Amino acid sequence: EIVLTQSPATLSLSPGERATLSCRASQSVSRNLAWYQQKVGQAPRLLIYDASTRATGIPARFSGSGSGTDFTLTISSLEAEDFAVYYCQQRSNWPRMYTFGQGTKLEIK
Amino acid sequence: DVQLLESGGGLVQPGGSLRISCVVSGFTFSNYGMNWVRQAPGKGLEWVSLITGSGDDTDYADSVKGRFTVSRDNSKNTLYLQMNSLRAEDTAMYYCAKKLGQPGTQYYFDHWGQGTLVTVSS
Repeated sequence: EIVLTQSPATLSLSPGERATLSCRASQSVSRNLAWYQQKVGQAPRLLIYDASTRATGIPARFSGSGSGTDFTLTISSLEAEDFAVYYCQQRSNWPRMYTFGQGTKLEIK
Repeated sequence: DVQLLESGGGLVQPGGSLRISCVVSGFTFSNYGMNWVRQAPGKGLEWVSLITGSGDDTDYADSVKGRFTVSRDNSKNTLYLQMNSLRAEDTAMYYCAKKLGQPGTQYYFDHWGQGTLVTVSS
């Protein structure tokens, strides 16, 4: 079973700053990784898939990079609405299952 | 506009059963795999189950295998999750989520419902 480990657990930044979130897989997932944003009381929203492709309607300040076991979500200049919890996710073939990281909470400093 | 709307959650006693539903619109339901993902209060996301577009293939997380059954009715654009032998640790918000890609590709969730809360308690 592939385990996804996100760091840091909490990131405290101010609006306008750059945010860098990390997701590490316990074994290679190639580029088959997604990022989601979840605000309080809302369902998750797909931001990035295939490691670096922005989903429909996602602003250009969100970008993803990485391959193999190490992945990064970058928010170039934080806006007020970006403060939320972020999850990475992958799907393995054997066993067939989806796994999420434990999440990174991005909070206002 | 794609929409997913869950229903059927509620309070159930340990050992009890519950069926939750997800009605969808805005896309050709039978063309896409669907999933259930849950989130315990204050916790992270946990994938629960998948079903292919035709309904002929399913899979489950180990934590629910043998107790939960996923199904779909493509004529009604509806996804179901039958939950039996419920435990306190099954307490969570249950989301239905649409798979992004066609069969064999893009195993991500591009649309989610708002969730239905299942509470298992005596």
